[in-house]
Amino acid sequence: DQQVKQNSPSLSVQEGRISILNCDYTNSMFDYFLWYKKYPAEGPTFLISISSIKDKNEDGRFTVFLNKSAKHLSLHIVPSQPGDSAVYFCAASAGTDSGAGSYQLTFGKGTKLSVIP
Amino acid sequence: DTAVSQTPKYLVTQMGNDKSIKCEQNLGHDTMYWYKQDSKKFLKIMFSYNNKELIINETVPNRFSPKSPDKAHLNLHINSLELGDSAVYFCASSPNRGRAGYPEAFFGQGTRLTVV
Repeated sequence: DQQVKQNSPSLSVQEGRISILNCDYTNSMFDYFLWYKKYPAEGPTFLISISSIKDKNEDGRFTVFLNKSAKHLSLHIVPSQPGDSAVYFCAASAGTDSGAGSYQLTFGKGTKLSVIP
Repeated sequence: DTAVSQTPKYLVTQMGNDKSIKCEQNLGHDTMYWYKQDSKKFLKIMFSYNNKELIINETVPNRFSPKSPDKAHLNLHINSLELGDSAVYFCASSPNRGRAGYPEAFFGQGTRLTVV
């Protein structure tokens, strides 16, 4: 049962335009959401996160929006650059950590973003 | 100066063999994890250790045994390898939770295990 869903396996965007990556979740216990970026043959790299007490978090070209009532979050990248081409994973964590910050991330399947020069 | 490093990067082995994957982090983090990315591209947590103590143990066959000699290392030993164990295994670490909320996990580059 997928608790975190990224329904678009791929997305192509022209350089300079906005990229919007979407993520839906089903577990209402999730209270922290993260986006990771992954290049081929590398591990995921943390990009941006948002707590459930917020509805928006911005970091440079990256903004994450959270709509708790719809159980939906999105990552906006503007302007998109060719170097942004990667697989983007949405991840979520429930309210309890298992001890001293040990917590479990539930990942989506990822969306492959291609930014066309 | 890699933050989280795993060895080997690629591992091809026959069914029934025993193999280990090593992981080291130089970030001073107290918590380390093993995640598995299967053929369907799902990244799923397997284990979590905090200061050498097992914290999270998801439903993983007991052929998989994590070992943490110190808080900077978390190795994964797999006995009697099966075809279905073929996947990419990622090690990760995170600092203890602070007032900023959940700390992000830093991942290694992954170990692609192929069982033939």
